[in-house]
Amino acid sequence: ETGVTQSPTHLIKTRGQQVTLRCSSQSGHNTVSWYQQALGQGPQFIFQYYREEENGRGNFPPRFSGLQFPNYSSELNVNALELDDSALYLCASSSIVPANEQFFGPGTRLTVL
Amino acid sequence: AQSVTQLDSHVSVSEGTPVLLRCNYSSSYSPSLFWYVQHPNKGLQLLLKYTSAATLVKGINGFEAEFKKSETSFHLTKPSAHMSDAAEYFCVVSDRNNDMRFGAGTRLTVKP
Repeated sequence: ETGVTQSPTHLIKTRGQQVTLRCSSQSGHNTVSWYQQALGQGPQFIFQYYREEENGRGNFPPRFSGLQFPNYSSELNVNALELDDSALYLCASSSIVPANEQFFGPGTRLTVL
Repeated sequence: AQSVTQLDSHVSVSEGTPVLLRCNYSSSYSPSLFWYVQHPNKGLQLLLKYTSAATLVKGINGFEAEFKKSETSFHLTKPSAHMSDAAEYFCVVSDRNNDMRFGAGTRLTVKP
């Protein structure tokens, strides 16, 4: 069974740029959720994708957007990067059954200069 | 709206002594509750979950938690701490929309 993988591991961007982060879900999972974890804080829910459609969104602006592909992998896109976007971005996959366990990837560390 | 409050940002115990990490929740619906652990430079790992079945939930590595609706609490305990338990612990509440809300975390230090 392959776990959740994320790429890249680390990324450095400058303010105003755009970034794309990638996530491959665990085998058999059809739902992907994205979280932002700022230093010293708990993860904050960005959005969730199920069958290629957004299935819930947290309190993040529209410049945070995503995609889910037919193989259930997913991308997180952030436009017009701001310094406060510097964080660990976590992807989690699960089945759509409510409150089922989410399996987390190791994360992508984004630094915005 | 749902939310979680972890009452201690840092807990320090000696190896072999009990661990108690406190969590209070707020939810408009019957919640599902989770505890996750995050070791440095590693992904989040599920310790245990409560989904309206038994109120005392047993998890991995000897951890357990008790759901107390009257107190809106879901505290995590372990009878005897091990050095490998040192990590960041997150209490999480989820409503029917699969929106998972994490607490701010409790850093557990285990002294030899």
